[in-house]
Amino acid sequence: GESVGLHLPTLSVQEGDNSIINCAYSNSASDYFIWYKQESGKGPQFIIDIRSNMDKRQGQRVTVLLNKTVKHLSLQIAATQPGDSAVYFCAENKHQAGTALIFGKGTTLSVSS
Amino acid sequence: GAVVSQHPSWVICKSGTSVKIECRSLDFQATTMFWYRQFPKQSLMLMATSNEGSKATYEQGVEKDKFLINHASLTLSTLTVTSAHPEDSSFYICSASPGAGGSYEQYFGPGTRLTVT
Repeated sequence: GESVGLHLPTLSVQEGDNSIINCAYSNSASDYFIWYKQESGKGPQFIIDIRSNMDKRQGQRVTVLLNKTVKHLSLQIAATQPGDSAVYFCAENKHQAGTALIFGKGTTLSVSS
Repeated sequence: GAVVSQHPSWVICKSGTSVKIECRSLDFQATTMFWYRQFPKQSLMLMATSNEGSKATYEQGVEKDKFLINHASLTLSTLTVTSAHPEDSSFYICSASPGAGGSYEQYFGPGTRLTVT
């Protein structure tokens, strides 16, 4: 079936570096994309989202980029901190009532100080 | 706002018994709730979608007679794992959405760790 996947299972960075986590999606019908952070033993925590009519969206220290031509999504974290260490998932769906999110495989971000 | 709770947060049960997990939207009404399962070091896999007052829609490969879902009210959905086996041990996560007429965003619960011995 169609799914959302991440390119790298792990990413290790130094504190203060910028991190880039990538995701490829395959469902052309998806029009809503979300990045989640999941810490061990907890549920997913919303980071940032983007709709398909946008290429870029910025939050606090985070930026999501969407390239619909190559079906690619990325999450950029500026000045990465040890507290950013977690597993990051991208998710997609058709943004309408009753539609579930489809999650990618996840990237484990490790930040060393 | 938009808080979803799950109870219990963790549970250990013996093989062959049944376990019920509750998912509640605390400050909004959830037209739709979703149940996911997550095995260690893996992603969230959708199990089923439930709408208040109607039968749940299960994903392919998920046994509806084993994983009973009841969405009895706009703030509560329950997942019952019947005749649990060790392979059912997993992290179960629900999400809730206000749905049509409101926001389509989904809000996740903190998860329930099930261990079957």
